[in-house]
Amino acid sequence: EVQLVESGGGLVQPGGSLRLSCAASGFTFNNYAMSWVRQAPGKGLEWVSAISVSGGTTYYADSVKGRFTISRDKSKNTLYLQMNRLRAEDTAVYYCAKDVSAIDGIFDAFDMWGQGTMVTVSS
Amino acid sequence: QSVLTQPPSASGTPGQRVTISCSGSTSNIGRNFVYWYQHLPGTAPKLLIYRNNQRPSGVPDRFSGSKSGTSASLAISGLRSEDEADFYCATWDDSLSGYVFGTGTKVTVL
Repeated sequence: EVQLVESGGGLVQPGGSLRLSCAASGFTFNNYAMSWVRQAPGKGLEWVSAISVSGGTTYYADSVKGRFTISRDKSKNTLYLQMNRLRAEDTAVYYCAKDVSAIDGIFDAFDMWGQGTMVTVSS
Repeated sequence: QSVLTQPPSASGTPGQRVTISCSGSTSNIGRNFVYWYQHLPGTAPKLLIYRNNQRPSGVPDRFSGSKSGTSASLAISGLRSEDEADFYCATWDDSLSGYVFGTGTKVTVL
């Protein structure tokens, strides 16, 4: 079955850290760009970060730049999001998404999404 | 604050046609492909339209996308009760060097 499964969410205090994982199966993970997208309670979708097919190119939303790091482990078919210096406004459901693009450095639509993992930043 | 503006809501009766607009700028819609996603809260979003007007396999032809200049639109014809959801446009923004989503439109089937 083709799927993306996120994990690693939970409750963390402001200023704390958390690492999200996204396990991919049913497709050749190494061949596609990937992204993280979040949705805060009562708000719309917000793109967070993207990583190219090779992992050599990464992009971040201004709201997380310098605090979050996206990475991928091709041997484990897993996407990660390391989140540091967390703030209350980072509270959201975090989705990982598979890009249509199989060309390194090119980003396109998200044709597969996980079910999401909830991150709550609160004291 | 999103750089892509959508109407907050749209509605129609079963069988009607509903259109959702998405307004951007030259740095995003004006230069890049537009995508449309359907999202039911608590579930995984679903890709409806890619590259302005292309439908992934399995998406009914009741859904259609178009783009003109710095704006895009999604049309849903033959509205059905299962179409009730939030709809988002999205694209790459060259100035921001990242994806941007629209503000989202909640579609209600009356």
